[in-house]
Amino acid sequence: EIVLTQSPGTLSLSPGERATLSCRASQSLTSSYLAWYQQKPGQAPRLLIFGASIRATGIPDRFSGSGSRTDFTLTISRLEPEDFAMYYCQQYGTSPPMYTFGQGTKLEIK
Amino acid sequence: EVQLVESGGGLVKPGESLRLSCATSGFTFSNLWLSWVRQAPGKGLEWIGRIKTKAAGETTDYAAPVKGRFTISRDDSKNTVYLQMNSLKTEDTALYYCTIDANDYYYVGYWGQGTLVTVSS
Repeated sequence: EIVLTQSPGTLSLSPGERATLSCRASQSLTSSYLAWYQQKPGQAPRLLIFGASIRATGIPDRFSGSGSRTDFTLTISRLEPEDFAMYYCQQYGTSPPMYTFGQGTKLEIK
Repeated sequence: EVQLVESGGGLVKPGESLRLSCATSGFTFSNLWLSWVRQAPGKGLEWIGRIKTKAAGETTDYAAPVKGRFTISRDDSKNTVYLQMNSLKTEDTALYYCTIDANDYYYVGYWGQGTLVTVSS
């Protein structure tokens, strides 16, 4: 079973700064099956990125995803106040078929 | 507009059963792969299972912690997916989300707002 480890656990930045969130897999992944989500308190998660680098519909272009094999990154180029939230990466494995989420990175205002 | 509305949550005792429902709209339900994802209070996201379409044999897959206790089913005539939870444990306490999955890139495209299940004596 693949384990996803996100780092850092908490990231403290100011609006306007660049955020870099990491997701590391215990085994090499199919990049097509790596996604990122944003979750704000009291809300359901929202899909940001799928296929490691494809922005979901309506997601601003300040959000970008990259990476391959075991190392993936979500970058927010210039933080807006509404970007401070929890972020989760997720992968899909085929043997056995299942989704796995990372433990999350909390992006907080410095 | 895509909508997923979960219901059926509540307070139950350990060992009891509960059935959650999720009514969807805005998609052709029979074409959907649907999952349930839960989130314990203050914790992260945990996928618990999925059901594929009738065309794909309504195949189900489950995460290890719930396999053998939880069952996902669907009723395409009612645009509804169900989660039958048996032998509930205190660690099953969570907000349960119904989700629509993408069966190409395998991500969760749409989420409901969740229904809270509390297992406590």
